[in-house]
Amino acid sequence: NAGVMQNPRHLVRRRGQEARLRCSPMKGHSHVYWYRQLPEEGLKFMVYLQKENIIDESGMPKERFSAEFPKEGPSILRIQQVVRGDSAAYFCASSLRDRGDTQYFGPGTRLTVL
Amino acid sequence: TQLLEQSPQFLSIQEGENLTVYCNSSSVFSSLQWYRQEPGEGPVLLVTVVTGGEVKKLKRLTFQFGDARKDSSLHITAAQPGDTGLYLCAGSNNDYKLSFGAGTTVTVRA
Repeated sequence: NAGVMQNPRHLVRRRGQEARLRCSPMKGHSHVYWYRQLPEEGLKFMVYLQKENIIDESGMPKERFSAEFPKEGPSILRIQQVVRGDSAAYFCASSLRDRGDTQYFGPGTRLTVL
Repeated sequence: TQLLEQSPQFLSIQEGENLTVYCNSSSVFSSLQWYRQEPGEGPVLLVTVVTGGEVKKLKRLTFQFGDARKDSSLHITAAQPGDTGLYLCAGSNNDYKLSFGAGTTVTVRA
């Protein structure tokens, strides 16, 4: 299966802990996007990365959230000191090119903060 | 932020019936995508429409993009239980940010 892979699929954290979400894009894709989906809401854009570069993080909270896409390895979305409001499904998507190219989504990571 | 409103929010029909889901915005989009999402999974792209007035057919699914490129509809003919899912529309302005609607949850009863 050469699709977008995300792990873990489910993650439970207590308030104040750190959450690390991983995303491996489709083979050959160098553009990665992170979206967050709250219950009964649409997906909201968080951040767009290319290899080793953050292109647009305008949808990501300024505090506690960070993202990276290193030269080697998966993209990581990191949430420090999680709070209950961070509970959501986090989806990663990848594309071959930017600017309007089709984005293929992974299965998501369901984060639950106790 | 460009908003997309989807209606209805929920739709429950009997197998064999037809259904239409709507996606409306006050903003113009250069393209609009329809996705289907099943519980516990990510959105799967069904179609992309780019031209005002465009109609695309995918087996029993018909997608239409409004002339002004502000709205779209998805029509399913003779729905089957396998069509059950969350249908999402997403707009793009030739950039990387997709603006999603909240979705329509479709349930097709056998």
